[in-house]
Amino acid sequence: EPEVTQTPSHQVTQMGQEVILRCVPISNHLYFYWYRQILGQKVEFLVSFYNNEISEKSEIFDDQFSVERPDGSNFTLKIRSTKLEDSAMYFCASSDGPRGLFPSLHFGNGTRLTVT
Amino acid sequence: AQTVTQSQPEMSVQEAETVTLSCTYDTSESDYYLFWYKQPPSRQMILVIRQEAYKQQNATENRFSVNFQKAAKSFSLKISDSQLGDAAMYFCAPSRDSGYALNFGKGTSLLVTP
Repeated sequence: EPEVTQTPSHQVTQMGQEVILRCVPISNHLYFYWYRQILGQKVEFLVSFYNNEISEKSEIFDDQFSVERPDGSNFTLKIRSTKLEDSAMYFCASSDGPRGLFPSLHFGNGTRLTVT
Repeated sequence: AQTVTQSQPEMSVQEAETVTLSCTYDTSESDYYLFWYKQPPSRQMILVIRQEAYKQQNATENRFSVNFQKAAKSFSLKISDSQLGDAAMYFCAPSRDSGYALNFGKGTSLLVTP
């Protein structure tokens, strides 16, 4: 079964550094998402992306965050200057087109980001 | 939906028994979708079941079923014949009021005892 893959599984970075989290969505999917989960807390929506542009973003997704689909397969989340509070598990998800039904989201295994 | 409440931080069930996890949400939409996701210790997010709000019939997926009460904005998950592998964090996730993203509740940690 096709799956969403995320790399790396764990990344450690120093406060103030830029970090890029990478995701390869399922190949025929059209909608892409980033979520984060601070340890022990709920999964929070960051951003959704469709047709090469952001379709929706939450208040968490400020100017420090950006997303990009640099080629036909990768979907990246960049944090420009990491803060300690950015430490979390980051999940990428993708879904296909609605085809009359709300598409189900398929999640990757996550990237654990640790900011020191 | 913008607010999702899972009032049970932890639940425990014996193997082979039935357990119900509760979820309420707030939405101004009339047409939306609801999901339950499971997150085992591996932290992967796994889709358990989905429900379309326009359908009156409750969704069922093998041992998993939902009780969807649209007027009450309630969406509970029932797990029958619980198995040790069901132990996980369970998240209720209604669709956001715009787009195709989801909002998640804080989760219910389910412990299954032999």
